[in-house]
Amino acid sequence: AQSVAQPEDQVNVAEGNPLTVKCTYSVSGNPYLFWYVQYPNRGLQFLLKYITGDNLVKGSYGFEAEFNKSQTSFHLKKPSALVSDSALYFCADLGKGSTLGRLYFGRGTQLTVWP
Amino acid sequence: DVKVTQSSRYLVKRTGEKVFLECVQDMDHENMFWYRQDPGLGLRLIYFSYDVKMKEKGDIPEGYSVSREKKERFSLILESASTNQTSMYLCASSSTWDFSSYNEQFFGPGTRLTVL
Repeated sequence: AQSVAQPEDQVNVAEGNPLTVKCTYSVSGNPYLFWYVQYPNRGLQFLLKYITGDNLVKGSYGFEAEFNKSQTSFHLKKPSALVSDSALYFCADLGKGSTLGRLYFGRGTQLTVWP
Repeated sequence: DVKVTQSSRYLVKRTGEKVFLECVQDMDHENMFWYRQDPGLGLRLIYFSYDVKMKEKGDIPEGYSVSREKKERFSLILESASTNQTSMYLCASSSTWDFSSYNEQFFGPGTRLTVL
């Protein structure tokens, strides 16, 4: 069964510091992983995806994510956080076989960047 | 610019009412999805559709139905609204995929439904 987990409900970081939002997966075979962001009172916006290829994926707004097969992780990172990065972040993986095309979302991590 | 629109941002209904939530996309996408979002539970898939007049149950279809008569429109129906259906409802769409070029889902702004 497809599954992603976000072990932290909240992450707090000071502006200018690096940030990491964690995601682990448990899907069998090769996973297809995504990060989305939700700003207050808005729908979700796509940040980046890992399908195959380089383990370091670059996305929108200066975010990147590192796919680590040995640790079954796909953590979202940014070298220098901005107050405007404060939002709710979701990791997701892609269904396969009979559930092809649907996404399985984690529970979300609330990121707060303080000035 | 790609766009997914939802008919209402905020909606207040009474228990037992029939509720329609409408979603329209202008990207000619084949696939459309309805989610509900609740704090601490993330996004849960209610129904999705791969094509006109086709539908598949998601993880929490009970109490909901859907309709897709036209490619661009996907409606979520609460036959008899209950207070436990108070939630944020998100619609999304995506194009047909293959594993070499999976395309992401595009989301609408959401409808916050309150059932009294």
